[in-house]
Amino acid sequence: QKEVEQDPGPLSVPEGAIVSLNCTYSNSAFQYFMWYRQYSRKGPELLMYTYSSGNKEDGRFTAQVDKSSKYISLFIRDSQPSDSATYLCAMTLTGGGNKLTFGTGTQLKVEL
Amino acid sequence: GAGVSQSPRYKVAKRGQDVALRCDPISGHVSLFWYQQALGQGPEFLTYFQNEAQLDKSGLPSDRFFAERPEGSVSTLKIQRTQQEDSAVYLCASSLDGLAGGQETQYFGPGTRLLVL
Repeated sequence: QKEVEQDPGPLSVPEGAIVSLNCTYSNSAFQYFMWYRQYSRKGPELLMYTYSSGNKEDGRFTAQVDKSSKYISLFIRDSQPSDSATYLCAMTLTGGGNKLTFGTGTQLKVEL
Repeated sequence: GAGVSQSPRYKVAKRGQDVALRCDPISGHVSLFWYQQALGQGPEFLTYFQNEAQLDKSGLPSDRFFAERPEGSVSTLKIQRTQQEDSAVYLCASSLDGLAGGQETQYFGPGTRLLVL
């Protein structure tokens, strides 16, 4: 069993929909939680990061972490076709330059 | 400014060949990471440098994989006697300061797509 589990999708939604992406993890020592977006044939780019439990909002994106359930989520409001990409959750054991442990990635398609 | 660059972008190798993949991190970034991303999977950690020191190589899958960063800037990932299972995208990432408190953002390059025939 992988340390980080993520439904690979694909997930297809109409433009304007609210998208919910999530990951579960098994190692309670993870402290920093991130969401990366990866377009086809590109490297991942950081969207959001959260330390420990709680919510964080940035524009149309909201990240949630529930450490008690070992569950993290990313919500995308008013989804756009340009949001079509693979979304990767990632986490680290400590802050400061430590290795990232990624989920499988969820492929999202936002259709007109 | 310039981001992380990697070369070559694509590499086709015959099984048994040696390959060398190059990473140019963002100027001034102390930390450098290599990840391997198989098709349909998330990136998996291979190794980590802080300046020229290789602090963690726990993710290297075998002794055929070797990485170096001799002057604390450019890094090379070398794979000897390539096998078909080595086919993947190899991603390089850099971050500003591995010693700073809090999570330093890792900036990824576009990757090198390796196909071993």
